[in-house]
Amino acid sequence: KQEVTQIPAALSVPEGENLVLNCSFTDSAIYNLQWFRQDPGKGLTSLLLIQSSQREQTSGRLNASLDKSSGRSTLYIAASQPGDSATYLCAVRPDNYGQNFVFGPGTRLSVLP
Amino acid sequence: SQTIHQWPATLVQPVGSPLSLECTVEGTSNPNLYWYRQAAGRGLQLLFYSVGIGQISSEVPQNLSASRPQDRQFILSSKKLLLSDSGFYLCAWSEGVYYGYTFGSGTRLTVV
Repeated sequence: KQEVTQIPAALSVPEGENLVLNCSFTDSAIYNLQWFRQDPGKGLTSLLLIQSSQREQTSGRLNASLDKSSGRSTLYIAASQPGDSATYLCAVRPDNYGQNFVFGPGTRLSVLP
Repeated sequence: SQTIHQWPATLVQPVGSPLSLECTVEGTSNPNLYWYRQAAGRGLQLLFYSVGIGQISSEVPQNLSASRPQDRQFILSSKKLLLSDSGFYLCAWSEGVYYGYTFGSGTRLTVV
């Protein structure tokens, strides 16, 4: 059964710092991996989707990498801003049983002005 | 472009009352549809998913049910709510396994 973990659970950084959020999954048999952002009391907003054949995806100041064989993904945020404060979740879609996304618990990010 | 609508945004219901949450998707056909629950301080729990009209799969046994009366409409229901049903309910859709999820804005349900 696929399990997804995210480290750290919470992170506080000063504005302007570059930071990395980590996501690990136990089974490398996946279709793809998706990173989301969730603001308090809101739905999830998709940030990046990486297919299993891809190594990374970029969108603006965000860069997500995928190392399927080691079961890891990182989300790199460059030049962080207070508006980046949110919970970041990663999810993987197994290519076997279920085939529905399995979510990690999230990393709560605070960017201090 | 595709959009997903979910309502109501907030709901306060007494224990034992019925529930109906609705989700609709526009701009696509035959989407895969999902209901998730996010309890306070906990992760996302998949409740139901549907790959077509009338096709519902349940992931967790509970007093909730789901229906898909139309291609782009997904409804979450309960005949009698429990206190433990409180949480944040999210609807999502996807075009298939090579596509990601798009979520609705969620419904905050408080059972009192």
